Amino acid sequence: NAGVTQTPKFQVLKTGQSMTLQCAQDMNHEYMSWYRQDPGMGLRLIHYSVGAGITDQGEVPNGYNVSRSTTEDFPLRLLSAAPSQTSVYFCASSLQGPNTEAFFGQGTRLTVV
Amino acid sequence: KNEVEQSPQNLTAQEGEFITINCSYSVGISALHWLQQHPGGGIVSLFMLSSGKKKHGRLIATINIQEKHSSLHITASHPRDSAVYICASPRNYGGSQGNLIFGKGTKLSVKP
Repeated sequence: NAGVTQTPKFQVLKTGQSMTLQCAQDMNHEYMSWYRQDPGMGLRLIHYSVGAGITDQGEVPNGYNVSRSTTEDFPLRLLSAAPSQTSVYFCASSLQGPNTEAFFGQGTRLTVV
Repeated sequence: KNEVEQSPQNLTAQEGEFITINCSYSVGISALHWLQQHPGGGIVSLFMLSSGKKKHGRLIATINIQEKHSSLHITASHPRDSAVYICASPRNYGGSQGNLIFGKGTKLSVKP
């Protein structure tokens, strides 16, 4: 009964490094999304996907790439990390978008130094 | 003006008290979500509702579509209820599916 599995839980990067945050769900959900959570702000949408092969930008997409080659996986790539990307990142999935129940991963606390 | 506003931002209660957290939204919705984020950081869905009232244990969520307002109530509060409570409203964004717009959260602390 895994739900949404997000790794790693913690990560420290140097400015300019790249990395991939992994997200996988086993509920056959079509809809997956990535959010970042910063102090004093609500969760903000980075990228989302409505199904395998389909992705789109959210509110704060700059500096991030995504792909959706399978229904299960939705990795988030940081191309060249910047201190402004220090944040807590959450992956979420739902059966058919924002009008269905959302399931969240445990979050990744990323620090860019 | 934020599209989803919660009040209060912070709330401290004594164990056993009845608690109310409010959420107002300015976008049209078909469903509103209440989420809970524990100090460990994980986020879980509590309710998704589009009308009336839903109850789960000591938690009750109500919504008034005409007034664009929802409330989350906790009866007989307990220290384990200490968490951040977040409401979220669906909004069309870019593509047809849209996404969730989140409030900033209400941090609840229940003292024994």
